[in-house]
Amino acid sequence: KQEVTQIPAALSVPEGENLVLNCSFTDSAIYNLQWFRQDPGKGLTSLLLIQSSQREQTSGRLNASLDKSSGRSTLYIAASQPGDSATYLCAVRKDYGGSQGNLIFGKGTKLSVKP
Amino acid sequence: GAGVSQSPSNKVTEKGKDVELRCDPISGHTALYWYRQSLGQGLEFLIYFQGNSAPDKSGLPSDRFSAERTGGSVSTLTIQRTQQEDSAVYLCASSLAGTGFYGYTFGSGTRLTVV
Repeated sequence: KQEVTQIPAALSVPEGENLVLNCSFTDSAIYNLQWFRQDPGKGLTSLLLIQSSQREQTSGRLNASLDKSSGRSTLYIAASQPGDSATYLCAVRKDYGGSQGNLIFGKGTKLSVKP
Repeated sequence: GAGVSQSPSNKVTEKGKDVELRCDPISGHTALYWYRQSLGQGLEFLIYFQGNSAPDKSGLPSDRFSAERTGGSVSTLTIQRTQQEDSAVYLCASSLAGTGFYGYTFGSGTRLTVV
């Protein structure tokens, strides 16, 4: 059974710091991995999607890497801002050989960036 | 529409009553998913629709839960005889296809409170 773990559960940093959020998964047979952001009382906003054949994806100040063989992904946030404060969720999609697969989520890392 | 739309955004119901939650996916997205997020818990998969195929109901927690998708577009999640443990945020997502290559887009969710 695929399990997704995110460490740390919570993180507080001063504005301007670079930071790394970690995600690990137990079954390396994944189709892709997706990072989401969730603001309090809101739905999920997709940040980055990494296909299993890719090593990393970048969007603005965000960079996500994927090491499928070791079952790890990291989300790097450069020059953090108070507006980055949110819960960050990692989710993997199992590889069913091209057929349907559901996203399995970690419990998230709650990030607080203090001005 | 431009995004995934869910209604109502909030619902308070008395224990034992039935509720219906609605999801309107992004136009052209053939895959639709329902997830549940309970306080302090990760996202729990409920049900998945792909085109005209039989839905994957493997995540539904009990026979009080059911869902349908009419015309391959709008979906309704129905909870019969609601219980207090059903209180959660119910999130709907859609994807361009169910093959796994595409990422998910989530709606803002319906916060259900059973009193």
